[in-house]
Amino acid sequence: EDQVTQSPEALRLQEGESSSLNCSYTVSGLRGLFWYRQDPGKGPEFLFTLYSAGEEKEKERLKATLTKKESFLHITAPKPEDSATYLCASSPIKAAGNKLTFGGGTRVLVKP
Amino acid sequence: DAGVIQSPRHEVTEMGQEVTLRCKPISGHDYLFWYRQTMMRGLELLIYFNNNVPIDDSGMPEDRFSAKMPNASFSTLKIQPSEPRDSAVYFCASSRQVNTEAFFGQGTRLTVV
Repeated sequence: EDQVTQSPEALRLQEGESSSLNCSYTVSGLRGLFWYRQDPGKGPEFLFTLYSAGEEKEKERLKATLTKKESFLHITAPKPEDSATYLCASSPIKAAGNKLTFGGGTRVLVKP
Repeated sequence: DAGVIQSPRHEVTEMGQEVTLRCKPISGHDYLFWYRQTMMRGLELLIYFNNNVPIDDSGMPEDRFSAKMPNASFSTLKIQPSEPRDSAVYFCASSRQVNTEAFFGQGTRLTVV
């Protein structure tokens, strides 16, 4: 069974304190690894898709990387507005269509 | 585009009542997904459609749950009869093609008392 595990469950950072979130996945053939951001009371908002090991993508203070077993979301010099829950999800090759398995998320709180 | 639109945003109902959640996907998106989010289980895929046809409903918890997509711009998720353990936030999402990002609606917070 495909599994996605995120760590840590929660992360408290001071403004400007860089850190990384981990997403470990076990899937027999990865079609894509997705990162989403979710704010309280809202739906997940798409951030990145990674397709192959070694791939990296950046958006403002966020950078996502991918290896054969895990993905990292690096937050560089975070600001309070980066506070949110970050979700990763895997899409296996064997699944028809776009079936995503989500991890439990990492709740990030950035204090000024 | 207004994005994925869900209604209602909040629903409070009594146990045993029928509940219908509604979703309008983004125009031109061929895939539509229904997810449920709880603190205990996180975000779970219930069912998804491709070109209005249900492809995988293995995540639907029980026969009390049913979903339809009568046309490309509308889908419903129905729970009959509802139970307190169905209380959760239900999200609808749509995507253009295989392996492209899914866009989520704002969700419907369902409370069954």
